Amino acid sequence: EAGVAQSPRYKIIEKRQSVAFWCNPISGHATLYWYQQILGQGPKLLIQFQNNGVVDDSQLPKDRFSAERLKGVDSTLKIQPAKLEDSAVYLCASSFTENNEQFFGPGTRLTVL
Amino acid sequence: AQKVTQAQTEISVVEKEDVTLDCVYETRDTTYYLFWYKQPPSGELVFLIRRNSFDEQNEISGRYSWNFQKSTSSFNFTITASQVVDSAVYFCALSGDYGGSQGNLIFGKGTKLSVKP
Repeated sequence: EAGVAQSPRYKIIEKRQSVAFWCNPISGHATLYWYQQILGQGPKLLIQFQNNGVVDDSQLPKDRFSAERLKGVDSTLKIQPAKLEDSAVYLCASSFTENNEQFFGPGTRLTVL
Repeated sequence: AQKVTQAQTEISVVEKEDVTLDCVYETRDTTYYLFWYKQPPSGELVFLIRRNSFDEQNEISGRYSWNFQKSTSSFNFTITASQVVDSAVYFCALSGDYGGSQGNLIFGKGTKLSVKP
C-alpha cells in the first residue's frame, strides 16, 4: 500500500516569496492533516480536513497561510508571503477517520532566507 | 488544556541496554488516545502504537513495550536490548474527543535516543 506522498522534499525561497506544498494521502483516508515542525520541537497541527471540509484551522496563520482539499483527496498548503520564522518541515498526515493512527509523509523542508 | 511532557531531552545508551522513555500527559477529556511515534534521522514519522483511555493493559511488541497508567497520567515506552537502529527521536502524542477537533495530535517535544555500539 502506498504511503502519504509529499512534494517537493526541499524548498529554499527568499522572504516575501510564495511557496506551495502538495500532499497525496493514503487511498481511502478521509482525514488529512498539515503539521509544522520547527527544528527541535514536536509537530504542531496547522489544519485538519475531513474529506474536503475544514475541521480545525485554529492554529493556521490565516493572514499568510492557506490550504485546500477540493476533491477530498489531494491537498495543497500555500504560504504567501513567507517569513523567516516559517522555516520548518511541513508534514502531511492522513488517517482513516479522526482519532485513528495518523500516517505521515516524508515532509517538505522549507528554508526561508 | 491538553499537554504532553517528555522530560528527557536526550538519552544515550550502549547497545543491548534497556531504556525507558517517559511521557506524562494532561487532559480533561474522559475519552482520549495516546500515541508514540519514531522519527529517525531520515525525518519521516513512523507510527508505533495507539492506545485509548479505556484500555490500560500494557502492550508488548517484540523488543518494545508500553506501560499506560491513568493514575499517574503516564504512558511510558521501554525498549529492551536496544540496538543502534533504535537511534531516533521518539514523540509521545495525545488526542481527544473535545469540540470539533478530534484527531488533533498534541505532541511532546520528543526524546532523542542515541544507541552506541
